[in-house]
Amino acid sequence: AQSVAQPEDQVNVAEGNPLTVKCTYSVSGNPYLFWYVQYPNRGLQFLLKYITGDNLVKGSYGFEAEFNKSQTSFHLKKPSALVSDSALYFCAVRDASGTYKYIFGTGTRLKVLA
Amino acid sequence: NAGVMQNPRHLVRRRGQEARLRCSPMKGHSHVYWYRQLPEEGLKFMVYLQKENIIDESGMPKERFSAEFPKEGPSILRIQQVVRGDSAAYFCASSPPGFSTEAFFGQGTRLTVV
Repeated sequence: AQSVAQPEDQVNVAEGNPLTVKCTYSVSGNPYLFWYVQYPNRGLQFLLKYITGDNLVKGSYGFEAEFNKSQTSFHLKKPSALVSDSALYFCAVRDASGTYKYIFGTGTRLKVLA
Repeated sequence: NAGVMQNPRHLVRRRGQEARLRCSPMKGHSHVYWYRQLPEEGLKFMVYLQKENIIDESGMPKERFSAEFPKEGPSILRIQQVVRGDSAAYFCASSPPGFSTEAFFGQGTRLTVV
C-alpha cells in the first residue's frame, strides 16, 4: 500500500534560518508526491508536487522540495523562514497502485520564532 | 474560477439527528474526495467519487455514513444519527482528470454534535 510518513510532529526554527520538514514515502511504481499547508481553521493549500523530472521542485511562497529516490524522501525546504510560515504542513502521495486517491501524512506543525 | 465551495461552514447537530454536508467542486473537476480531521490530527481519507460513481469508499465507516456525487449538483456527505464522536472538520477536495494533478480543498465544514 502507498503511504507517506512525517516523522516530526513539530519543527521549531528561528526566523531567517533555513527550514526543513521531512517526509518519506512508500510506493510501488512511480510516486506522485505533494506538499500542502494548512493555516488555522482553513482548508489545505497546495504548495508543490513532484511527478517526474528534476529532483528539486519549486513551489509557492518560496518553498521547494527535494525528491530523493534512493532515500525515498521528499523533504520540504525554504532557505529563510518567516514567522508567517508557521502552520501545519502535510505531505501526500497519490495512490498509483490503487484508485489514485490522495493519502496524507500525519502533518508537521512548523513554528517559526521571531 | 471559484474554488471548492463547502457549506455550511459550521453545523451543530444534536445526537441522533442527521448531518448533510455539501461540496461543489471547482469548474471542470469531476473527481471529489472527502476527508475528516479531528483536532490536532491529520487528514483521514473517507471516500473518493466521480460523477454518479463511488470509486473508493475504503475510509467510510460501515454504518451511518454515505456519500454521493450526482450528475447535477454538489457532492453530499450524509451522516445519519450523529454521535459526539462525529464532531470533526470535514474537508472536501476536487481534482480534474489526470493522475498528475493536485487536489484543491474547500474551507471545510466543522460539525459539532451536542
